Amino acid sequence: KQEVTQIPAALSVPEGENLVLNCSFTDSAIYNLQWFRQDPGKGLTSLLLIQSSQREQTSGRLNASLDKSSGRSTLYIAASQPGDSATYLCAVLQGGSEKLVFGKGTKLTVNP
Amino acid sequence: DAGITQSPRHKVTETGTPVTLRCHQTENHRYMYWYRQDPGHGLRLIHYSYGVKDTDKGEVSDGYSVSRSKTEDFLLTLESATSSQTSVYFCATWRGGSYEQYFGPGTRLTVT
Repeated sequence: KQEVTQIPAALSVPEGENLVLNCSFTDSAIYNLQWFRQDPGKGLTSLLLIQSSQREQTSGRLNASLDKSSGRSTLYIAASQPGDSATYLCAVLQGGSEKLVFGKGTKLTVNP
Repeated sequence: DAGITQSPRHKVTETGTPVTLRCHQTENHRYMYWYRQDPGHGLRLIHYSYGVKDTDKGEVSDGYSVSRSKTEDFLLTLESATSSQTSVYFCATWRGGSYEQYFGPGTRLTVT
């Protein structure tokens, strides 16, 4: 059974710092991995989707990498801003499945 | 975004009453999902649909039923609400091809 873990559960950094959020999964036979952002009281917003054949995806200050063999993905946020404060979740889609498996998220606070 | 709306956005109901939540999408996505989100448990799949009148159970389906009579609408029914069903409920859809998942804004349900 696929399990997705995000460590740490919470992270606090000063504004301007570059940071990395981690996501690990137990079964490497994934079809894709998706990173989401969730603001308090809101739904999830898709940030980046990495297909299993890709190593990384970039969108603005965000860069997500995928290492299937080690069961890890990282979300790199450059030059963090207070507006980046949110909970970040990763989710994997197993090959042949129709269901995402979610981690419990990392709550990020960027202090001015 | 997949043009997903959920109604109602907030609801308070009494134990033992039936409740129906509605999810509506405008993008003609084939797959639709219902999740619940609770502190300490993260996102958990309740039911999903892979086409009109085609549905399947998720990991926490007891006490819930779903229906999908049109591509754009997916209904979640709590047959007899209990306090343990107090939660935030999210609808999501899946775009074909990349299998990127999109979420609605959520419904906060309180069962007293």
